[in-house]
Amino acid sequence: EVVMTQSPATLSVSPGERATLSCRASQSISTNLAWYQQKPGQAPSLLIYGASTRATGIPARFSGSGSGTEFTLTISSLQSEDFAVYYCQQYNNWPPLTFGGGTKVEIK
Amino acid sequence: QVQLQESGPGLVQPSETLSLTCVVSGYSISNDYYWGWIRQPPGEGLEWIGSISHSGSTYYNPSLKSRVTNSIDTSKNQFSLKLTSVTAADTAVYYCVRHLSWGACDIWGQGTMVTVSS
Repeated sequence: EVVMTQSPATLSVSPGERATLSCRASQSISTNLAWYQQKPGQAPSLLIYGASTRATGIPARFSGSGSGTEFTLTISSLQSEDFAVYYCQQYNNWPPLTFGGGTKVEIK
Repeated sequence: QVQLQESGPGLVQPSETLSLTCVVSGYSISNDYYWGWIRQPPGEGLEWIGSISHSGSTYYNPSLKSRVTNSIDTSKNQFSLKLTSVTAADTAVYYCVRHLSWGACDIWGQGTMVTVSS
């Protein structure tokens, strides 16, 4: 099983600032990685797939990078609607599909 | 647009079987894609339960494999989850999702809360 580890668990950021979230895989997953955003009381929604491709309708302030075992999600200038929990997920080697534990981005 | 909608009991007795159905609209599930289930215990992260392909091949999380069955009904454009011998640890929001074999979960249902309690 590929174990996904996200850091930090919580990130405190002021609106307008840059946020950098990390995700590490226990073995190489190429670029078969997705990022999801989850707001309170809502289902997760797809932000990024293929490690760096934005899903339909996702603003350009969201960007993903990385390959192999190290990945990053960057939000260039945080807007009020971006405060949420973010999960990474690998789909390179399954079953099982595996998720990281999540990073909560909160208002500083 | 493609939409997924979960349905099923919100309360299940311990040791009983949890049964959920996901109705798909806007896309024929027999065409392509994998159709899966993901759950999220209150205040916790996401756990993949299992998926079924459009042709009926099934894939399960090894941690749940002995208790899970996925099925698909193309005539009703829906797929289903059965989880047997439930305990309080199975209390969670259950989501149905669509994904490719090597692809992200691009469509999610709104989720349904299932509580295991007597």
